[in-house]
Amino acid sequence: QLQLQESGPGLVQPSETLSLTCTVSGGSISRNNYYWGWIRQPPGKGLEWIGSIYYSGITYSNPSLKSRVTISVDTSKNQFSLRLNSVTAADTAVYYCARQGSATTPEFVYWGQGTLVTVSS
Amino acid sequence: DIQMTQSPSTLSASVGDRVTITCRASQTVSKWLAWYQQKPGKAPKLLIYKTSTLESGVPSRFSGSGSGTEFTLTISSLQPDDFATYYCQQFDNYLYTFGQGTKLEIK
Repeated sequence: QLQLQESGPGLVQPSETLSLTCTVSGGSISRNNYYWGWIRQPPGKGLEWIGSIYYSGITYSNPSLKSRVTISVDTSKNQFSLRLNSVTAADTAVYYCARQGSATTPEFVYWGQGTLVTVSS
Repeated sequence: DIQMTQSPSTLSASVGDRVTITCRASQTVSKWLAWYQQKPGKAPKLLIYKTSTLESGVPSRFSGSGSGTEFTLTISSLQPDDFATYYCQQFDNYLYTFGQGTKLEIK
């Protein structure tokens, strides 16, 4: 069974860079044609797609965040990562990593449990 | 960018009721319209994809329909486990957009 686990600091200073890693187990990140994504949810609010990456490194990002987002993949560690720079309090959220259910449908079936990142001094 | 607007934002209903949640897009979307259920403190769970296809293991009381700019999620007979928040999501040109969510509450 595919499992995803987010990890990273729970507290980030304003104007600094948020860095999270998603570790994949139960399957290879470089097998088949899947996109791996990051989604976030501010406390008490809705879901926002941040971006997605293909095992080859091709990425797509939310236009509203694109200038601050970097998503990368490390196939040797079976991980993919998110960096969000110049953070503010508005970036405080639960961050989820996720994967499509199949190579031919874009919906996210597999999700991590989420990790809360708070931006505060 | 395509914007997705759900209505209502909050819905109060009773066990056994039939409920419908609507998702409207700011422009025509492709067939890739999905619905998720989320409970407090949990990751979202995919219910329906490609507008009307039920994800494996999801009860048949859930159904989806629509096309163009208007889509609906219907629960035919509410069960206690269904009280949660529901989100629509569209996918087009490698970009995803979620609706703002509909909270389904017990009346």
